[in-house]
Amino acid sequence: AQKITQTQPGMFVQEKEAVTLDCTYDTSDPSYGLFWYKQPSSGEMIFLIYQGSYDQQNATEGRYSLNFQKARKSANLVISASQLGDSAMYFCAMREGPSGSARQLTFGSGTQLTVLP
Amino acid sequence: GAGVSQSPSNKVTEKGKDVELRCDPISGHTALYWYRQRLGQGLEFLIYFQGNSAPDKSGLPSDRFSAERTGESVSTLTIQRTQQEDSAVYLCASSSGQGRGVNTEAFFGQGTRLTVV
Repeated sequence: AQKITQTQPGMFVQEKEAVTLDCTYDTSDPSYGLFWYKQPSSGEMIFLIYQGSYDQQNATEGRYSLNFQKARKSANLVISASQLGDSAMYFCAMREGPSGSARQLTFGSGTQLTVLP
Repeated sequence: GAGVSQSPSNKVTEKGKDVELRCDPISGHTALYWYRQRLGQGLEFLIYFQGNSAPDKSGLPSDRFSAERTGESVSTLTIQRTQQEDSAVYLCASSSGQGRGVNTEAFFGQGTRLTVV
C-alpha cells in the first residue's frame, strides 16, 4: 500500500485565491511527522511546513497552513492568497518512528499547481 | 558548507559505464538520503544513512546501485553498468535526525542530472 497518496496530479487556481492540495497517509506508527515541499521548475526542493502526529494544533507558516485530520489520516496543504510564484510541484512526505529512531522520508507522487493571472 | 552540495550537477555517460555521484551534507547532519526523480515523476527513495547505524538500503533498485558514507561526512552513490533507464535526477538530502526523531526537515541539494546515452 502507498504510504503517501496525492490524488491530484494537477491543480489550477486563480491568483489571490486559496487552494487546497490533498494528502493522505498510511502508517501504524503512533509517532510520525508530515512535511510539505515545493519544487519549482528549477528543480530545487524547498521545505514549506511540518506537522507532528502529536501536535494539537494545525501547523501554519505564513500563507501556508496544514489541515491535519488525524482520524482521517489526511494532511492537506492550504495556500492562501495564491501568487504566480506559487506555480510549482508540491510534494507531501512522511517520516515514521519514535524519537531517536526515525526512519526514512517517504514522498507522494506530487501535485502540479498552476496559478493563473 | 551552508547547504547540501552535490557533484557533478550534470553527467552524461555511455550505456555500460560506471558513474559515481557525490553528496556533501550540511555539517553536523547525521541523516543522509538519496532519491531518484525521473522526469515528471515523484521522488523514489534509494538509501538512507543515519549516523553509524546500518543504512536502509531497501530502495536500491538493483545490485548495480550502491552507496557509501563514512561517518557523518560525504556520501557517494555508485551506479555500475549504467542503462538508459537510469537516466534521472539524483537528489541527496540531509537532516539533523538523531535525537530529534521525526520532526526534522530534510534539506536537499540541487541534484545530479544523469543522462545515459
